[in-house]
Formats: sequence, C-alpha cells, structure tokens
Amino acid sequence: GAGVSQSPRYKVAKRGQDVALRCDPISGHVSLFWYQQALGQGPEFLTYFQNEAQLDKSGLPSDRFFAERPEGSVSTLKIQRTQQEDSAVYLCASSLAWGSQETQYFGPGTRLLVL
Amino acid sequence: AQSVTQLDSQVPVFEEAPVELRCNYSSSVSVYLFWYVQYPNQGLQLLLKYLSGSTLVKGINGFEAEFNKSQTSFHLRKPSVHISDTAEYFCAVSGPGGQAGTALIFGKGTTLSVSS
Repeated sequence: GAGVSQSPRYKVAKRGQDVALRCDPISGHVSLFWYQQALGQGPEFLTYFQNEAQLDKSGLPSDRFFAERPEGSVSTLKIQRTQQEDSAVYLCASSLAWGSQETQYFGPGTRLLVL
Repeated sequence: AQSVTQLDSQVPVFEEAPVELRCNYSSSVSVYLFWYVQYPNQGLQLLLKYLSGSTLVKGINGFEAEFNKSQTSFHLRKPSVHISDTAEYFCAVSGPGGQAGTALIFGKGTTLSVSS
C-alpha cells in the first residue's frame, strides 16, 4: 500500500518568505508527527497530532512555526518569515494508533533551503 | 529526560565482515528502543524494535540487536554485511517521561560504509 508522502520534496526559499510543507500520512493512521533533521544530525521532534488534535507542540522552535491537521488526515507545516537556520529536512511520520510502542512510518522528507 | 548516544559517527567495514553499531540510552523510566535505517534521499525505515520480553531482537535484512538494561545499551549487529547495507543508522528511544508521549528521541546517527 501507499506509504507516507510529502510535498514538495525540495524547497528553496528566500529569507523572509513563508513556506508550507505537506504531509499525506498512511490512510487510517491516527497519529502524525513532524520532525526536523539538520545536516548530520538525527531527527528532532517538532509536534504531534492525534487525529485533528495537536496534543504536543513543545518542539516547535519559535512562533514562526505552525502546524495543522484539520480533518485528521493531511497535515501542513507552515513556517513564516523563514530564516537561514530553518534550513533542514522536515520529516513527517504516522502511526496506526497512539502509544510509545507504535511503529512510526516516515515519509521521504522535504529538504528546505533558505537563502 | 531521555537521551540517546551513538558512540560511533562512522563505521567503515568490508563486505561480508561482521559489524556492530553501538547505542547507549539514558532514562529514569522504562523505555522502548528502536533502530531505523535511512538510505540516501529516503525516509527512515524501521529495522527492529524492543518493547519487552526477550532481550535479543531480530529485525529485517539480517540485523539483530540486544537490549542490555544494566548497561543501558541497545547495540545493533549483523554477522555479514553487504554493499547494500551502506546507509545511515539511527537509534531511538520512546516511552513515558519523554518530551512527548510517543515522540521518538534519536541519536545523531552512525554512517555505515561497506566496501568491497
């Protein structure tokens, strides 16, 4: 079946631009996560949704970052007024149910470069 | 707070040789442990996970890992590697007490380079 998909795969933005990154999770998956992966580092948690509810946004680095999942399926991560330090790969993951033991399935990521 | 340390940033190895990628974790509570692999320009793929029970966990592609609670380690092993195993490997932990109920906390990764 289809896995997690993300679009665009690559995004180049000028500093100060707003960007929107899309994630299509596996159909029926309740949980959805966003992670940020800087070059040469492991992914770091940004935010978590259970269906349409954003239950944890403690990893969002600033109020320029905003995420939504209005209908409990597709999610969008929006970054306003991008800065160079926002350059990273943004990964989306989904899991079938809620719980720390659940396997998270990752998308291919969106590579964001802010010039 | 939980944390993960991958002790080797790069591991070069010859084809058909055995390999061990080391991972140590820090947590004051019980955790679940995972190993993921990331091929170039692809997302992370689960290799194996430890939830409970037998401390030796077998995963895909011939990999296995052993959970050692006393040493807080979860090292990944493969008895004979292939060129196609060249990738980035991430150890991760999740469980109660983490920064989010179910979020994964990753190590910095180990680059496994297999040459002929």
